[in-house]
Amino acid sequence: QLQLQESGPGLVRPSETLSLTCTVSGDSIRSSSYYWGWIRQPPGKGLEWIGTIYYFGRTDYNPSLKSRVTISADTSKNQFFLELTSVTAADTAVYYCARLPTLTFFDYWGQGTLVNVSS
Amino acid sequence: QSALTQSASVSGSPGQSITISCTGTNNDVGGYNYVSWYQQHPGKAPKLIIHEVSYRPSGVSNRFSGSKSGNTASLTISGLQAEDEADYYCGSSTGTNAPYVFGTGTKVTVL
Repeated sequence: QLQLQESGPGLVRPSETLSLTCTVSGDSIRSSSYYWGWIRQPPGKGLEWIGTIYYFGRTDYNPSLKSRVTISADTSKNQFFLELTSVTAADTAVYYCARLPTLTFFDYWGQGTLVNVSS
Repeated sequence: QSALTQSASVSGSPGQSITISCTGTNNDVGGYNYVSWYQQHPGKAPKLIIHEVSYRPSGVSNRFSGSKSGNTASLTISGLQAEDEADYYCGSSTGTNAPYVFGTGTKVTVL
């Protein structure tokens, strides 16, 4: 059974870098059958796609976040990562990692992790 | 890329059918059969219930069905049940090098 688990600091100071890890179990992120993504949801608001990493390392990012986002992966640990620089209070959200069997939908999601940006 | 437009809320009584709409443009919803739908209960992660307009993943109730006409996709919930009370989001992407866009979300209330 595929499981995704987000981890990282729950509190980040303004102007600093938000770093999260998604640990995947039950499947290999090296598989050519899937892609892996990050999505966030500010409290009380809707979903926002952050970006996607392909099995061979290519990345696609939300144009509105592209200048601040990096998604990478460590296939030896079956993990992929999110870095978001220069955060502000507007980046406070629940961050989800998810799997994409094609680039057009997310079929498995992590439980999400709340990140607060506050001094 | 703008968010897809959904009605803010829809309500119905148990046993009734309701339909949620998701409106985009020729460049997303209207141009491709890549609309998906997600159900999200409070405090929980979204759950995929429809992909590629009308396909249900294994384990999803057949009370959920999807369709599309022009630039508007629709999710119909038939035989409404109390457990269907949740937020519903549509989503769409055209694939490589294309952003993934979610809808604004619809809150479904079971009266």
